[in-house]
Amino acid sequence: DAGVTQSPTHLIKTRGQHVTLRCSPISGHKSVSWYQQVLGQGPQFIFQYYEKEERGRGNFPDRFSARQFPNYSSELNVNALLLGDSALYLCASSRGQGFLSSYNEQFFGPGTRLTVL
Amino acid sequence: TQLLEQSPQFLSIQEGENLTVYCNSSSVFSSLQWYRQEPGEGPVLLVTVVTGGEVKKLKRLTFQFGDARKDSSLHITAAQPGDTGLYLCAGPGVRSQGNLIFGKGTKLSVKP
Repeated sequence: DAGVTQSPTHLIKTRGQHVTLRCSPISGHKSVSWYQQVLGQGPQFIFQYYEKEERGRGNFPDRFSARQFPNYSSELNVNALLLGDSALYLCASSRGQGFLSSYNEQFFGPGTRLTVL
Repeated sequence: TQLLEQSPQFLSIQEGENLTVYCNSSSVFSSLQWYRQEPGEGPVLLVTVVTGGEVKKLKRLTFQFGDARKDSSLHITAAQPGDTGLYLCAGPGVRSQGNLIFGKGTKLSVKP
Protein backbone atom coordinates (compact mmCIF):
# COMPACT_ATOMS: atom_id res chain seq x y z
CA ASP A 1 0.00 0.00 0.00
CA ALA A 2 1.17 3.52 -0.76
CA GLY A 3 2.12 5.72 2.14
CA VAL A 4 1.34 9.39 2.57
CA THR A 5 2.38 11.29 -0.54
CA GLN A 6 3.15 14.99 -0.79
CA SER A 7 3.80 17.27 -3.72
CA PRO A 8 5.89 19.01 -4.73
CA THR A 9 9.02 17.68 -3.00
CA HIS A 10 10.84 20.98 -3.27
CA LEU A 11 9.67 24.51 -3.98
CA ILE A 12 11.38 27.88 -4.24
CA LYS A 13 9.33 31.05 -3.93
CA THR A 14 10.00 34.73 -3.32
CA ARG A 15 8.66 36.91 -0.54
CA GLY A 16 5.05 37.96 -1.02
CA GLN A 17 4.14 35.05 -3.25
CA HIS A 18 1.53 32.40 -2.56
CA VAL A 19 2.10 28.65 -2.34
CA THR A 20 -0.11 25.54 -2.37
CA LEU A 21 1.14 22.25 -0.98
CA ARG A 22 -0.68 18.98 -1.54
CA CYS A 23 -1.08 15.80 0.46
CA SER A 24 -2.69 12.44 -0.27
CA PRO A 25 -3.37 10.32 2.82
CA ILE A 26 -3.07 6.59 3.14
CA SER A 27 -6.10 4.83 1.68
CA GLY A 28 -8.80 4.52 4.34
CA HIS A 29 -7.45 7.37 6.46
CA LYS A 30 -9.89 10.22 6.98
CA SER A 31 -7.74 12.63 8.98
CA VAL A 32 -4.92 14.82 7.70
CA SER A 33 -2.67 16.99 9.85
CA TRP A 34 -0.14 19.56 8.71
CA TYR A 35 3.10 20.40 10.52
CA GLN A 36 5.87 22.93 9.89
CA GLN A 37 9.44 21.87 10.68
CA VAL A 38 11.98 24.67 10.65
CA LEU A 39 15.62 23.58 10.37
CA GLY A 40 16.91 22.44 13.75
CA GLN A 41 13.46 22.25 15.34
CA GLY A 42 10.81 19.63 15.86
CA PRO A 43 7.60 19.73 13.82
CA GLN A 44 4.99 22.31 14.88
CA PHE A 45 1.28 21.65 14.45
CA ILE A 46 -0.55 23.84 11.93
CA PHE A 47 -3.92 22.20 11.19
CA GLN A 48 -5.89 19.00 11.51
CA TYR A 49 -8.76 18.14 9.17
CA TYR A 50 -11.14 15.27 9.70
CA GLU A 51 -14.04 14.42 7.41
CA LYS A 52 -13.41 17.66 5.48
CA GLU A 53 -13.78 19.87 8.54
CA GLU A 54 -11.10 21.76 10.44
CA ARG A 55 -10.78 20.11 13.85
CA GLY A 56 -7.67 21.81 15.14
CA ARG A 57 -5.50 24.84 14.50
CA GLY A 58 -2.06 25.66 15.87
CA ASN A 59 -0.57 29.06 16.58
CA PHE A 60 -0.07 30.20 12.99
CA PRO A 61 -1.21 33.45 11.32
CA ASP A 62 -4.23 33.70 9.05
CA ARG A 63 -1.89 33.62 6.05
CA PHE A 64 -1.99 29.86 6.54
CA SER A 65 -5.13 28.05 5.43
CA ALA A 66 -6.03 24.52 4.43
CA ARG A 67 -8.85 22.40 3.16
CA GLN A 68 -9.70 18.75 2.77
CA PHE A 69 -11.43 17.29 -0.25
CA PRO A 70 -14.09 14.56 -0.49
CA ASN A 71 -11.37 12.01 -1.32
CA TYR A 72 -9.62 13.07 1.95
CA SER A 73 -6.65 14.62 0.19
CA SER A 74 -5.66 18.05 1.48
CA GLU A 75 -4.09 21.32 0.45
CA LEU A 76 -2.13 23.76 2.60
CA ASN A 77 -2.06 27.33 1.34
CA VAL A 78 0.27 30.04 2.51
CA ASN A 79 -0.22 33.64 1.35
CA ALA A 80 2.17 36.58 1.42
CA LEU A 81 5.21 34.39 2.01
CA LEU A 82 7.87 35.55 4.44
CA LEU A 83 11.48 34.43 4.70
CA GLY A 84 10.56 32.74 8.00
CA ASP A 85 8.12 30.45 6.21
CA SER A 86 11.08 28.52 4.80
CA ALA A 87 10.69 25.06 6.28
CA LEU A 88 9.84 21.42 5.69
CA TYR A 89 6.05 21.07 5.60
CA LEU A 90 4.90 17.66 6.75
CA CYS A 91 1.56 16.02 6.24
CA ALA A 92 0.40 13.19 8.47
CA SER A 93 -2.64 10.98 8.03
CA SER A 94 -4.52 8.82 10.50
CA ARG A 95 -7.71 6.80 10.51
CA GLY A 96 -9.65 9.00 12.90
CA GLN A 97 -9.51 12.29 14.71
CA GLY A 98 -8.03 11.16 17.98
CA PHE A 99 -4.47 9.99 18.40
CA LEU A 100 -2.07 7.79 20.26
CA SER A 101 -3.81 4.52 19.86
CA SER A 102 -2.84 1.64 17.65
CA TYR A 103 -5.98 2.44 15.65
CA ASN A 104 -5.10 6.05 15.16
CA GLU A 105 -1.35 6.29 14.65
CA GLN A 106 -0.21 9.25 12.57
CA PHE A 107 1.82 8.37 9.49
CA PHE A 108 3.99 11.13 8.06
CA GLY A 109 4.76 11.87 4.45
CA PRO A 110 8.24 12.84 3.23
CA GLY A 111 7.39 16.53 3.33
CA THR A 112 7.68 19.49 0.98
CA ARG A 113 10.82 21.58 1.37
CA LEU A 114 9.82 25.25 0.86
CA THR A 115 12.49 27.89 0.40
CA VAL A 116 11.46 31.55 0.42
CA LEU A 117 13.99 33.97 -1.07
CA THR B 1 2.00 25.49 27.73
CA GLN B 2 3.22 21.96 27.30
CA LEU B 3 6.87 21.75 26.26
CA LEU B 4 9.15 18.80 25.63
CA GLU B 5 12.87 19.36 26.06
CA GLN B 6 15.30 16.91 24.55
CA SER B 7 18.95 16.42 25.40
CA PRO B 8 21.55 16.30 24.16
CA GLN B 9 20.84 18.32 21.05
CA PHE B 10 23.70 16.66 19.14
CA LEU B 11 25.50 13.37 19.70
CA SER B 12 28.38 11.96 17.66
CA ILE B 13 29.66 8.51 18.63
CA GLN B 14 31.59 5.57 17.22
CA GLU B 15 29.96 2.37 16.09
CA GLY B 16 29.51 -0.05 18.97
CA GLU B 17 29.08 2.58 21.69
CA ASN B 18 26.01 2.87 23.88
CA LEU B 19 24.01 6.06 24.26
CA THR B 20 20.99 7.52 26.03
CA VAL B 21 18.89 10.48 24.96
CA TYR B 22 16.36 12.21 27.15
CA CYS B 23 12.97 13.85 26.82
CA ASN B 24 11.75 15.96 29.74
CA SER B 25 8.75 18.10 30.56
CA SER B 26 7.32 19.97 33.52
CA SER B 27 3.88 18.72 32.42
CA VAL B 28 2.35 15.30 32.80
CA PHE B 29 1.68 13.52 29.53
CA SER B 30 -0.82 10.71 29.14
CA SER B 31 1.65 9.07 26.76
CA LEU B 32 4.79 9.83 24.79
CA GLN B 33 6.02 8.73 21.41
CA TRP B 34 9.49 8.42 19.93
CA TYR B 35 10.12 9.01 16.24
CA ARG B 36 13.19 8.75 14.05
CA GLN B 37 13.58 11.09 11.10
CA GLU B 38 16.16 10.71 8.36
CA PRO B 39 17.18 13.54 6.02
CA GLY B 40 14.54 14.20 3.38
CA GLU B 41 12.00 11.99 5.09
CA GLY B 42 9.12 12.42 7.49
CA PRO B 43 9.29 11.12 11.08
CA VAL B 44 8.69 7.39 11.54
CA LEU B 45 7.09 6.16 14.75
CA LEU B 46 9.33 3.89 16.82
CA VAL B 47 7.27 3.38 19.96
CA THR B 48 4.44 4.71 22.12
CA VAL B 49 4.74 4.50 25.91
CA VAL B 50 1.57 4.85 27.90
CA THR B 51 2.03 3.66 31.48
CA GLY B 52 4.28 5.38 34.03
CA GLY B 53 7.40 3.30 34.58
CA GLU B 54 6.84 1.36 31.37
CA VAL B 55 9.86 -0.07 29.55
CA LYS B 56 9.66 -1.16 25.92
CA LYS B 57 12.37 -2.79 23.86
CA LEU B 58 12.77 -2.68 20.10
CA LYS B 59 15.83 -4.75 19.19
CA ARG B 60 18.78 -2.65 20.45
CA LEU B 61 16.56 0.27 21.47
CA THR B 62 15.10 0.52 24.99
CA PHE B 63 12.46 3.11 25.79
CA GLN B 64 11.41 4.11 29.29
CA PHE B 65 8.53 6.28 30.49
CA GLY B 66 9.09 8.02 33.82
CA ASP B 67 7.00 7.04 36.81
CA ALA B 68 5.44 10.51 36.94
CA ARG B 69 4.88 10.51 33.16
CA LYS B 70 6.89 13.72 32.76
CA ASP B 71 9.97 12.25 31.13
CA SER B 72 11.20 9.50 28.87
CA SER B 73 14.50 8.10 27.71
CA LEU B 74 15.79 6.19 24.73
CA HIS B 75 18.82 3.95 25.18
CA ILE B 76 20.63 2.44 22.20
CA THR B 77 23.00 -0.45 22.76
CA ALA B 78 25.92 -1.05 20.40
CA ALA B 79 24.99 1.77 18.03
CA GLN B 80 25.35 1.19 14.30
CA PRO B 81 25.70 3.69 11.43
CA GLY B 82 22.14 2.84 10.44
CA ASP B 83 20.96 4.38 13.71
CA THR B 84 22.04 7.82 12.46
CA GLY B 85 19.15 10.26 12.35
CA LEU B 86 17.08 12.78 14.26
CA TYR B 87 15.28 11.30 17.26
CA LEU B 88 12.13 13.15 18.25
CA CYS B 89 9.88 12.69 21.24
CA ALA B 90 6.26 13.77 21.00
CA GLY B 91 3.24 13.92 23.23
CA PRO B 92 -0.44 14.68 22.77
CA GLY B 93 -1.47 18.31 22.68
CA VAL B 94 -5.03 19.50 22.96
CA ARG B 95 -7.13 16.35 22.81
CA SER B 96 -9.87 17.91 20.72
CA GLN B 97 -7.34 18.99 18.13
CA GLY B 98 -5.59 15.68 17.78
CA ASN B 99 -2.23 17.39 17.49
CA LEU B 100 1.21 16.23 18.59
CA ILE B 101 3.73 18.37 20.48
CA PHE B 102 7.30 17.61 19.48
CA GLY B 103 10.62 18.22 21.16
CA LYS B 104 13.44 19.76 19.14
CA GLY B 105 15.10 16.41 18.71
CA THR B 106 18.49 14.81 19.22
CA LYS B 107 20.63 14.57 16.12
CA LEU B 108 22.62 11.34 16.34
CA SER B 109 25.60 10.53 14.15
CA VAL B 110 27.16 7.07 14.41
CA LYS B 111 30.51 6.80 12.68
CA PRO B 112 31.88 3.49 11.40
